[in-house]
Amino acid sequence: ILNVEQSPQSLHVQEGDSTNFTCSFPSSNFYALHWYRWETAKSPEALFVMTLNGDEKKKGRISATLNTKEGYSYLYIKGSQPEDSATYLCASPRDDKIIFGKGTRLHILP
Amino acid sequence: GAGVSQTPSNKVTEKGKYVELRCDPISGHTALYWYRQSLGQGPEFLIYFQGTGAADDSGLPNDRFFAVRPEGSVSTLKIQRTERGDSAVYLCASSLNKAGEGGADTQYFGPGTRLTVL
Repeated sequence: ILNVEQSPQSLHVQEGDSTNFTCSFPSSNFYALHWYRWETAKSPEALFVMTLNGDEKKKGRISATLNTKEGYSYLYIKGSQPEDSATYLCASPRDDKIIFGKGTRLHILP
Repeated sequence: GAGVSQTPSNKVTEKGKYVELRCDPISGHTALYWYRQSLGQGPEFLIYFQGTGAADDSGLPNDRFFAVRPEGSVSTLKIQRTERGDSAVYLCASSLNKAGEGGADTQYFGPGTRLTVL
């Protein structure tokens, strides 16, 4: 059974602080790792698709790293803003399926 | 351009009834995925279409669930004899090509249909 795990499940961060959270996935037969941001009442929005070990991608204040040998990816948010409040999902494609983690629910405190 | 759309946005039905949920993918996207998201969980894979054919339907929970994509564009998820446990948000996503293993294309999600079975 393929498990994609995310931690923590929920996180409260003061506005202006930086934070990070983790996605772990089976390292065998790895192909890609997807990160999404899902704001309440909106569609999940793709952030990154990562494929290579050691990949580091950046989009504004958000960045992600990938370690395929040990099976984890970190998502970093620098200088958190209220608009960063959302659920962050990671997903790992396997065969024709895409397996999602349960997400990290991020709350930015004013 | 237009994104992925799903209708209805909300559906309330009684136990035992039949429902259809519709997904309009982005024009030209060959791959289409259905997911179900229950409270506190991540999206759970249901079925993947490549063109008109269901390439993988192993995520459908039982034979009450069925999905079609007859012309390789719009897809309909059909649920027969609904049960209270079917209540969830049903998400549809499309990608230009396969987003799973063998393809790393980004998926674009619709807003979802919130199904409530009373």
